[in-house]
Amino acid sequence: EDKVVQSPLSLVVHEGDTVTLNCSYEVTNFRSLLWYKQEKKAPTFLFMLTSSGIEKKSGRLSSILDKKELFSILNITATQTGDSAVYLCAVENSGGSNYKLTFGKGTLLTVNP
Amino acid sequence: DARVTQTPRHKVTEMGQEVTMRCQPILGHNTVFWYRQTMMQGLELLAYFRNRAPLDDSGMPKDRFSAEMPDATLATLKIQPSEPRDSAVYFCASGLREGEAFFGQGTRLTVV
Repeated sequence: EDKVVQSPLSLVVHEGDTVTLNCSYEVTNFRSLLWYKQEKKAPTFLFMLTSSGIEKKSGRLSSILDKKELFSILNITATQTGDSAVYLCAVENSGGSNYKLTFGKGTLLTVNP
Repeated sequence: DARVTQTPRHKVTEMGQEVTMRCQPILGHNTVFWYRQTMMQGLELLAYFRNRAPLDDSGMPKDRFSAEMPDATLATLKIQPSEPRDSAVYFCASGLREGEAFFGQGTRLTVV
């Protein structure tokens, strides 16, 4: 059974801090790892990672994948209150031409002013 | 602006009643997922379809849950009979390429 474990479960920081969120996984037929941000409603896509060691970056957010050690990290620098959300990690299991996403339980990030 | 549309947004029902949730995927997307989200379990995959064919519904309690895609523009998730433990937010997501999952706003179900 595919498994995604995120840590920490929750995190409280002050504006301006840098945070690192962790995601480890076990999956058959790994194709990709994805990060989502969920505020009050639906998860929204942040990154898709398929190759080890290649950093993906978007503004203050960046992420990297280690396929040998089966984990990924999401970094947020100079955090802002608007970064407060649940951050979800998902892995894509691709069997043949089909694919499905298995999600971790998320990390609740609270950024205080 | 293309988006996944779910109805209803909120549903409160009594235990034992039938509940039907609907999802309109983004036009042209051929993969549809149903997820359930609770505080305890996080996002759990219930079922998913590719080109309207059910590929995996192993995450779904078969005795009371059913998922269908009567056509390419409509996916349904039905619970009959509903139970209090079914209370959760149910998300539909659609995609076209590997790794894609665009989420709807969810249906918040409360079974009392």
